[in-house]
Amino acid sequence: EIVLTQSPATLSLSPGERATLSCRASQSVSNYLAWYQQKPGQAPRLLIYDASNRATGIPARFSGSGSGTDFTLTISSLEPEDFAVYYCQQRSNWPPTFGQGTRVEIK
Amino acid sequence: EVQLVESGGGLVQPGESLRLSCAASGFTFSTYWMHWVRQAPGKGLVWVSRIKGDGSSTGYADSVKGRFTISRDNAKNTLYLQMNSLRAEDTAVYYCAREQYVNGWTDSFDIWGQGTMVTVSS
Repeated sequence: EIVLTQSPATLSLSPGERATLSCRASQSVSNYLAWYQQKPGQAPRLLIYDASNRATGIPARFSGSGSGTDFTLTISSLEPEDFAVYYCQQRSNWPPTFGQGTRVEIK
Repeated sequence: EVQLVESGGGLVQPGESLRLSCAASGFTFSTYWMHWVRQAPGKGLVWVSRIKGDGSSTGYADSVKGRFTISRDNAKNTLYLQMNSLRAEDTAVYYCAREQYVNGWTDSFDIWGQGTMVTVSS
């Protein structure tokens, strides 16, 4: 089973700042990595699939990059609604696995 | 509107059973792979099970294999998760989720239900 390690655990930023979240895989997952956003009491929402493709309706301020074992989710300028927990998920090896999450909180 | 609505969660004792349901609407349910993903209180997401659109193929996480059974009724646009021999560590919010199709199946999940809470405790 592939282990995904997200860093940092918590990111404290102000609205308007740039957020950079990392996800590292225990072995190569090619580009088969997705990112989700989850707000308290809500279901996750798909942001990015296959490392860099924005899902339907996702604003352009969200972007994903990386391949192999190292991936990044970037939020170019944080909006108030972006403060949430973010998870990465790989689909390269069965079963699909998720990272432990990065919380983006208001500084 | 594309929607998934789970039901059937509750409080059960260890060793008991529970069946979750997920009602789908707004899309052609029978053509999509569907999944269950769970989240223990304060913890991360864990994939549980999946089923092909026609029900001909299923898969399970090792932690639930032999205890949980996924199924679907395409006439009713409903996904199920039969959970037997429940353990305390099965306590979680259970989400049903649709697998995204973009020029092929992506094993990522583009539509999620609101979740249903399962608590296993004596």
